[in-house]
Amino acid sequence: DGGITQSPKYLFRKEGQNVTLSCEQNLNHDAMYWYRQDPGQGLRLIYYSQIVNDFQKGDIAEGYSVSREKKESFPLTVTSAQKNPTAFYLCASITSGGKNNEQFFGPGTRLTVL
Amino acid sequence: GQNIDQPTEMTATEGAIVQINCTYQTSGFNGLFWYQQHAGEAPTFLSYNVLDGLEEKGRFSSFLSRSKGYSYLLLKELQMKDSASYLCAVRGPGKSTFGDGTTLTVKP
Repeated sequence: DGGITQSPKYLFRKEGQNVTLSCEQNLNHDAMYWYRQDPGQGLRLIYYSQIVNDFQKGDIAEGYSVSREKKESFPLTVTSAQKNPTAFYLCASITSGGKNNEQFFGPGTRLTVL
Repeated sequence: GQNIDQPTEMTATEGAIVQINCTYQTSGFNGLFWYQQHAGEAPTFLSYNVLDGLEEKGRFSSFLSRSKGYSYLLLKELQMKDSASYLCAVRGPGKSTFGDGTTLTVKP
């Protein structure tokens, strides 16, 4: 089955530690996105990548870093510089030139920093 | 940039019809999406509008007026399982911007 996977579903880290969230897709999509969602709020864009080896900052990129070495993978690192990292993180992908540009979402990773 | 407004909360009765509005200001427009999100889960796609007018898909319909920067999602024959957050998102060049979502509570 084609889709987007994120692991783990729940992640706990100590304050001051970097942590990397994985996102893998086998949909052959060109563009991938990372969003953050806080309780009662919508999705805010962290980083996005429209092609391998290229990515752009979203609205709240500070304290985060990404890489896009393969089309299928777009890992997000939450660094110790992120002041309030506890949140629900969603990865999404989309195919360029698709019929309706629908974004497909992974199941999300809930990160809690203790 | 993009600015998207939608009501924070709405309540409706099982079997009724509810309309969730979304207004937006945009610097580029490639379409408007509606997503449903249950608590603790990822959003799921409901509808997409890029041209003015009404798109119908079963119990769900979505309307767009680009000149007014306005869309609505219409849910008919409400069921208890429709209790969820509904997100309006505008796609601009290369990326989408999401509203904060409307939490819909369906009561018996």
